[in-house]
Amino acid sequence: AQKVTQAQTEISVVEKEDVTLDCVYETRDTTYYLFWYKQPPSGELVFLIRRNSFDEQNEISGRYSWNFQKSTSSFNFTITASQVVDSAVYFCALSEASNSGGSNYKLTFGKGTLLTVNP
Amino acid sequence: DAGVIQSPRHEVTEMGQEVTLRCKPISGHNSLFWYRQTMMRGLELLIYFNNNVPIDDSGMPEDRFSAKMPNASFSTLKIQPSEPRDSAVYFCASSLIEARYEQYFGPGTRLTVT
Repeated sequence: AQKVTQAQTEISVVEKEDVTLDCVYETRDTTYYLFWYKQPPSGELVFLIRRNSFDEQNEISGRYSWNFQKSTSSFNFTITASQVVDSAVYFCALSEASNSGGSNYKLTFGKGTLLTVNP
Repeated sequence: DAGVIQSPRHEVTEMGQEVTLRCKPISGHNSLFWYRQTMMRGLELLIYFNNNVPIDDSGMPEDRFSAKMPNASFSTLKIQPSEPRDSAVYFCASSLIEARYEQYFGPGTRLTVT
């Protein structure tokens, strides 16, 4: 069974600090997909990034970067020079196909990490 | 492009009443998901559809919950009768079929059952 663990329940930082959100996953499949979502105080869930299991290249998008390491089953998310607007709950999620065609699958979410960025 | 649309955004009802939540997925998406979010249990997948066909409803808590997708652009989640423990935020999400595609979420419906 697939599982996603976000061990950090809450993190509090001061603006301009860098912060890393940890995500560890478990899966038996060799093909799977990892995602990060952001849920700001307004409540909506916003898709941030997708990574497939064949692509371990790290990705950077502005102040956001993601480090995917299959050896440690981790997909960590770093915010550089954090801002108050980054305050939100961040969810890591894992998707794997439950059939060979890949059309049946489930997206399993971690419990989320509440990030508070203080001015 | 319009995102996933959910209605109503807020619903307050009394225990025992029927509640119907509605969702319009993103045009062209052929997978639709219903989730429930609570503080205690986090995000839970209730049911999902591929091409309007229910694929997995193992997350539906009990027979009081039912979901339908009569066509590619509309889905409902019904609770009858509602109970206070059903109070939660219910999200609808849509995506293209296949595990590799990200899901796009609607704004959610905040349900309060008194």
